[in-house]
Amino acid sequence: AQKITQTQPGMFVQEKEAVTLDCTYDTSDPSYGLFWYKQPSSGEMIFLIYQGSYDQQNATEGRYSLNFQKARKSANLVISASQLGDSAMYFCAMREAHMGGSQGNLIFGKGTKLSVKP
Amino acid sequence: KAGVTQTPRYLIKTRGQQVTLSCSPISGHRSVSWYQQTPGQGLQFLFEYFSETQRNKGNFPGRFSGRQFSNSRSEMNVSTLELGDSALYLCASSVGQGGTEAFFGQGTRLTVV
Repeated sequence: AQKITQTQPGMFVQEKEAVTLDCTYDTSDPSYGLFWYKQPSSGEMIFLIYQGSYDQQNATEGRYSLNFQKARKSANLVISASQLGDSAMYFCAMREAHMGGSQGNLIFGKGTKLSVKP
Repeated sequence: KAGVTQTPRYLIKTRGQQVTLSCSPISGHRSVSWYQQTPGQGLQFLFEYFSETQRNKGNFPGRFSGRQFSNSRSEMNVSTLELGDSALYLCASSVGQGGTEAFFGQGTRLTVV
């Protein structure tokens, strides 16, 4: 079963507008972490934001915020005031609690390609 | 503070050859994980190293192996290369157990011809 689902293969947004990228996850573990990464065409995975399953507040980092709805198992990324440089692939990922000395690997969704229009 | 460094950035190899990729994590980070990214399969976990020990392994054949040195630098090796091994190989650096963020390098793009 797919653990991370990103239902939007591609999205367009007008420059300076806000955009929400969807992510739902599936886990039975009460302890987990959720990540969002940006991958420009160069290939580097750029860490954007992290949300722990026990965090009470939604995570925010500059123009990025994570809309964490635990009961619905969703972790949507909101980018405010889009810029042309935001055009990239965006990946949602989850890390479950570590075991046997492992930190736990990241499980990625298939990504959403965001295009910002001038 | 330097980020995660992966070398080389690009590599072209012939089927049947072997290849070694290198990853230097962020200073102070002791956990290194490797991922393979292909258009068809997306991002898949290869293995994780912490304190020179493999802690976790993904579902890849034994041709894929890795190691970690005492300075936390890690290498991964792929033997008997196949065309399907062509991919972007990404390395992630974390503080270690209990850490949260994971930072990636720029990746090594391997092409097998």
